[in-house]
Amino acid sequence: DVKVTQSSRYLVKRTGEKVFLECVQDMDHENMFWYRQDPGLGLRLIYFSYDVKMKEKGDIPEGYSVSREKKERFSLILESASTNQTSMYLCASSLPPVREQYFGPGTRLTVT
Amino acid sequence: EDQVTQSPEALRLQEGESSSLNCSYTVSGLRGLFWYRQDPGKGPEFLFTLYSAGEEKEKERLKATLTKKESFLHITAPKPEDSATYLCAVHPDSNYQLIWGAGTKLIIKP
Repeated sequence: DVKVTQSSRYLVKRTGEKVFLECVQDMDHENMFWYRQDPGLGLRLIYFSYDVKMKEKGDIPEGYSVSREKKERFSLILESASTNQTSMYLCASSLPPVREQYFGPGTRLTVT
Repeated sequence: EDQVTQSPEALRLQEGESSSLNCSYTVSGLRGLFWYRQDPGKGPEFLFTLYSAGEEKEKERLKATLTKKESFLHITAPKPEDSATYLCAVHPDSNYQLIWGAGTKLIIKP
């Protein structure tokens, strides 16, 4: 079975802190994604990566950056956390070009 | 503009009462349509992929169908454990990203 793991289930950070969210997949998938999910807004794509060291902006990249140094790991970075970044963050992976995505359990981030 | 609309927003059924969820889409061309189940506080779980009109996929009490304009997720004799939010996503020709619907929250009462 595909397994996607995320470093934390729950995270509480203060405004202005730098936040790292880690995602690891064990199925040798080329594609990896970071989404945020908010009530009433559905899933919104922040960034995705189709290969090591490659990244593409999604719909809402502002305030975020990403890093993919190894195929199995994709990190989301909040350079300076703000309260409007309080959300559920979901990582996913898939085979190319666009196949079914497999999701991690999510990280509920609260910025105070 | 590519768009995916799911209806209804919420659906309450009695255990054993069959029904259908709808996912209608407007895209330039369809490469694939995906159904997911999401339990509260968890990540979406992949259910089905449909690629062409007329295609059907089944898994336990769930059956997904696809036409040129919409997809249905039919739930036969549901049980309380089928309660979840069901998400639909479309991969259009014009985009490398999936277009996600807002989901249908399904509640099955015992």
